[in-house]
Amino acid sequence: GENVEQHPSTLSVQEGDSAVIKCTYSDSASNYFPWYKQELGKGPQLIIDIRSNVGEKKDQRIAVTLNKTAKHFSLHITETQPEDSAVYFCAASIQSGTYKYIFGTGTRLKVLA
Amino acid sequence: GAVVSQHPSRVICKSGTSVKIECRSLDFQATTMFWYRQFPKQSLMLMATSNEGSKATYEQGVEKDKFLINHASLTLSTLTVTSAHPEDSSFYICSATRTGGSTEAFFGQGTRLTVV
Repeated sequence: GENVEQHPSTLSVQEGDSAVIKCTYSDSASNYFPWYKQELGKGPQLIIDIRSNVGEKKDQRIAVTLNKTAKHFSLHITETQPEDSAVYFCAASIQSGTYKYIFGTGTRLKVLA
Repeated sequence: GAVVSQHPSRVICKSGTSVKIECRSLDFQATTMFWYRQFPKQSLMLMATSNEGSKATYEQGVEKDKFLINHASLTLSTLTVTSAHPEDSSFYICSATRTGGSTEAFFGQGTRLTVV
């Protein structure tokens, strides 16, 4: 079955620096890759997503890149702010049938003021 | 954006009792909803896929008689934890996708279940 690995598990950066989180998926049929931000005690919130027909997508300070050949996708946050501190999860999904998501193990990001 | 509401947000119950958690899509119809379980500092583990009008599909290792799922309408799915025990204490999260093949999943705010 599909497996998604996520690194690093924890990441501390100084405010204003960039943060990069990487994920690797196993199922080559996966074609949708969302990223979620989860704050303590809350459900995940979608922050950006990318489909397999696109190599890069950007939304203000957040960008996602996808390398289908290597089965890698990454989240890039620039100009980090303390409110970016949270747990971030990547996920992979095969967009047919029931669109089941397989989540990565999560990255706890701390932005130090 | 689409809103998924989960209720209750927190619940404490006694060992041996059953607890029902509701997941509602407030402004869209959801043929498919998903139930996840999340232990502290861990990822979301898919428990089951809930399909409106049919039986839920459970992931390997999840007891269907323990975690009863009902998806009787296009806007409501319920998860009932039967005969709850302390090891069932966890954060339960639902998500929903729009009817008609949308790719995006919308997540509820989660339910913190504590069994004492």
